Amino acid sequence: DGGITQSPKYLFRKEGQNVTLSCEQNLNHDAMYWYRQDPGQGLRLIYYSQIVNDFQKGDIAEGYSVSREKKESFPLTVTSAQKNPTAFYLCASSKGPLNEQFFGPGTRLTVL
Amino acid sequence: DQQVKQNSPSLSVQEGRISILNCDYTNSMFDYFLWYKKYPAEGPTFLISISSIKDKNEDGRFTVFLNKSAKHLSLHIVPSQPGDSAVYFCAASANGGTSYGKLTFGQGTILTVHP
Repeated sequence: DGGITQSPKYLFRKEGQNVTLSCEQNLNHDAMYWYRQDPGQGLRLIYYSQIVNDFQKGDIAEGYSVSREKKESFPLTVTSAQKNPTAFYLCASSKGPLNEQFFGPGTRLTVL
Repeated sequence: DQQVKQNSPSLSVQEGRISILNCDYTNSMFDYFLWYKKYPAEGPTFLISISSIKDKNEDGRFTVFLNKSAKHLSLHIVPSQPGDSAVYFCAASANGGTSYGKLTFGQGTILTVHP
């Protein structure tokens, strides 16, 4: 089955710790994205990558970092510099930058 | 600066009737528009899209209308079913400029379809 997986579904961390969220896709898509959703708000773009070994900042990149060493993987690190890290994080992928994006199931991060 | 706006936070409709969800945008560079459906604690699911060269796109019970001069699009669901109850997001992208390759999402509209 082709799709996007995010793990874990729920993640708890203490304030001040860095945490890395996993995103893997086997759709052979070139482009991958990370979004954040907060209650009552739409999805806001954190980082995106249109090709391996290249990525760009989205609208709210501060306090986050990413890597794209493999086509199928796009991990997101939430650093201690992120002021309000508690949120629902969504990863997506698409064939290319002008195609519809397909989303993973999301990871809910809670920082205590 | 909210470039994509869904001004109705919620919509309640009777089963079998039409649901109309609205979306406005401000960036004239946007030329591709999408609608996504989302259940709580899940990722959004792609529903339907429309290119700016069209003013209507239909897929089963779902139809999207685009009015470029008004910078407005709408999603019609006919007939509405209880299983359609979810949050609906509209999104837009541009084939150039700073929005190239990125989706900008609205805030979402919660649709509730009553049996």
